[in-house]
Amino acid sequence: AQRVTQPEKLLSVFKGAPVELKCNYSYSGSPELFWYVQYSRQRLQLLLRHISRESIKGFTADLNKGETSFHLKKPFAQEEDSAMYYCALLYNFNKFYFGSGTKLNVKP
Amino acid sequence: DAMVIQNPRYQVTQFGKPVTLSCSQTLNHNVMYWYQQKSSQAPKLLFHYYDKDFNNEADTPDNFQSRRPNTSFCFLDIRSPGLGDAAMYLCATSRDTASGARYEQYFGPGTRLTVT
Repeated sequence: AQRVTQPEKLLSVFKGAPVELKCNYSYSGSPELFWYVQYSRQRLQLLLRHISRESIKGFTADLNKGETSFHLKKPFAQEEDSAMYYCALLYNFNKFYFGSGTKLNVKP
Repeated sequence: DAMVIQNPRYQVTQFGKPVTLSCSQTLNHNVMYWYQQKSSQAPKLLFHYYDKDFNNEADTPDNFQSRRPNTSFCFLDIRSPGLGDAAMYLCATSRDTASGARYEQYFGPGTRLTVT
């Protein structure tokens, strides 16, 4: 069975500090992983996907199959990064399994 | 400009009284999803439509049903809501992975259901 674990419910950092939001997954197939973000009073939206190997708003995430991880990183956090972040696993072609989310609070 | 629309945004229903939540999309995506999200929990997939094909998750209660009369609309019916069904219900759309498209789900704002 597939599973996504985000061990931290809340992560607080100061502006300018590095941030890492952890995500671990369990899946017997070939994983496709995503990070979704929900800013205050906004809808859930895609931040980035591992297959694109892109950097969005300064965030990057590398899929580590050995450690079954897909941690989200940003070297210098900004106050506008404060939001709820969800790691998600695509399985069975069209289904998504979401982690329980990490609330990132960037303090001034 | 909204691409995935959910109505109503807030719904109050009585215990046991059937309720229908609505989702519409302007993206012409062939896959539509319904998620249930309880407080501080992950969005949980209830079911999804791939075109007209309905795909139910094994652990979705029978109390939850869905209809998709056309590409643009999808409905979530809760036949006999219980107190435990109070949650945010999220609708999302995507193009299917077989199309080769860069896969992304577009979410609606959600409907918050209260059961009294």
